[in-house]
Amino acid sequence: AQKITQTQPGMFVQEKEAVTLDCTYDTSDPSYGLFWYKQPSSGEMIFLIYQGSYDQQNATEGRYSLNFQKARKSANLVISASQLGDSAMYFCAMREGDVTDKLIFGTGTRLQVFP
Amino acid sequence: DAGVIQSPRHEVTEMGQEVTLRCKPISGHNSLFWYRQTMMRGLELLIYFNNNVPIDDSGMPEDRFSAKMPNASFSTLKIQPSEPRDSAVYFCASSFGTSPGQYFGPGTRLLVL
Repeated sequence: AQKITQTQPGMFVQEKEAVTLDCTYDTSDPSYGLFWYKQPSSGEMIFLIYQGSYDQQNATEGRYSLNFQKARKSANLVISASQLGDSAMYFCAMREGDVTDKLIFGTGTRLQVFP
Repeated sequence: DAGVIQSPRHEVTEMGQEVTLRCKPISGHNSLFWYRQTMMRGLELLIYFNNNVPIDDSGMPEDRFSAKMPNASFSTLKIQPSEPRDSAVYFCASSFGTSPGQYFGPGTRLLVL
C-alpha cells in the first residue's frame, strides 16, 4: 500500500482564489510527521509546512495551512489567495515514527495558477 | 545564510565512468540526506547521516553507489561505474536536531549516456 497518496496529478486555480491539494497517508505508528514541499519549474525543493501527529491545532505558515484530519488520515494543503508564483509541483511527505528522519514522498500535484 | 550547496549542478558522463556528487550542508545542521528524483520512481531517499554517521542506507540501489560524510560540512555520493539508468536529479538536504524541516540543495542533474 502507498504510504502517501496524492490523487490529483494536476490542479488549476484562478489567481486570488484558494485551492486545496489533497494528501492521504497510511501508518500504524502513533507518532509521525507530515510535510509539504513546493518544487517550482527551476527544480529546487522548498519546505512549506509541517504538522506533527500530536499537534492539536492545524499548522499555518502565511498563506499556507494544513488541514489535518487524523481520523481520516488526511493532511491537505490549503493555499489562500493564490498567486502566479504558486504554480509548481507540490509534494506531500511523511516521517513515520520518532526513530527515523526518513521522509516518504507522494507523487506530487502540479498546480497551475492562471490570471 | 547560505543554503545547502551542491556541485556540480549538471553532469554529463558516459556509461562506465565514475561520478562524484558533492554536498555542503547548512552550517550547524547535523543531519544530511541524499535523495534521487526520477519520473518513474519519484523522489526517494538513498541514504542519510546523523552527526556524520550513516543511519539508513536502505535506499541505496546497489553496490555501485556509495556515500561518505568525512566531516560535518561535506558529503559525497559516488557512482562507480555509472549506468544510463542512474540518470536523475540528485538532491542533498540537511536538517537540525528536532527542527522538522529538511532543507534541500538545488540538485545535481546527472545524465549518463
